[in-house]
Amino acid sequence: AQSVTQLGSHVSVSEGALVLLRCNYSSSVPPYLFWYVQYPNQGLQLLLKYTSAATLVKGINGFEAEFKKSETSFHLTKPSAHMRDAAEYFCAVNPRETGANNLFFGTGTRLTVIP
Amino acid sequence: DADVTQTPRNRITKTGKRIMLECSQTKGHDRMYWYRQDPGLGLRLIYYSFDVKDINKGEISDGYSVSRQAQAKFSLSLESAIPNQTALYFCATSDLVRGEAFFGQGTRLTVV
Repeated sequence: AQSVTQLGSHVSVSEGALVLLRCNYSSSVPPYLFWYVQYPNQGLQLLLKYTSAATLVKGINGFEAEFKKSETSFHLTKPSAHMRDAAEYFCAVNPRETGANNLFFGTGTRLTVIP
Repeated sequence: DADVTQTPRNRITKTGKRIMLECSQTKGHDRMYWYRQDPGLGLRLIYYSFDVKDINKGEISDGYSVSRQAQAKFSLSLESAIPNQTALYFCATSDLVRGEAFFGQGTRLTVV
């Protein structure tokens, strides 16, 4: 069975500090992995994705994530937080199994940036 | 114009009423999805469709039905709304090759 676990439903960082949002997955085959961001009163926007190419993936707004197969992780990072990064972030997995190929989402992490 | 459009954006309805949420897309994708979002639970899949003749139940399909009227249109119905169906509903489409989903702006449904 496939699942996504996001550790920490709320994360607070100071403006300018490192952002680290954690995501672990379980999948029987190497999956596709995604991070989405949701700003208040908006839909989900793709930040970045891993589709079996380079393990370090760069996305929009200065975010990046590294696929680590040995740790089954896909943590999201940004070196320096901005106030505009305050949002909810969702990790998602596409397990790529025959007949499935749907996205399964984690429960989300709300990021607060403190001035 | 948005690639994935949901109507209405907000709706308040009474318990027991039938309500339909509509979704249309201009991305040309075959795959369409309905999710609901609840605080602390993330997004959960209600139904998905891989083409006009293919409809599949997701994790939480009880109390919902769908109709794929055309490649570009996928509607979600609540036959008899109940308060615990109060949530934010999202429609999405996806590309088979790349696997990523594209989301509408959401419909906030309140059942009183």
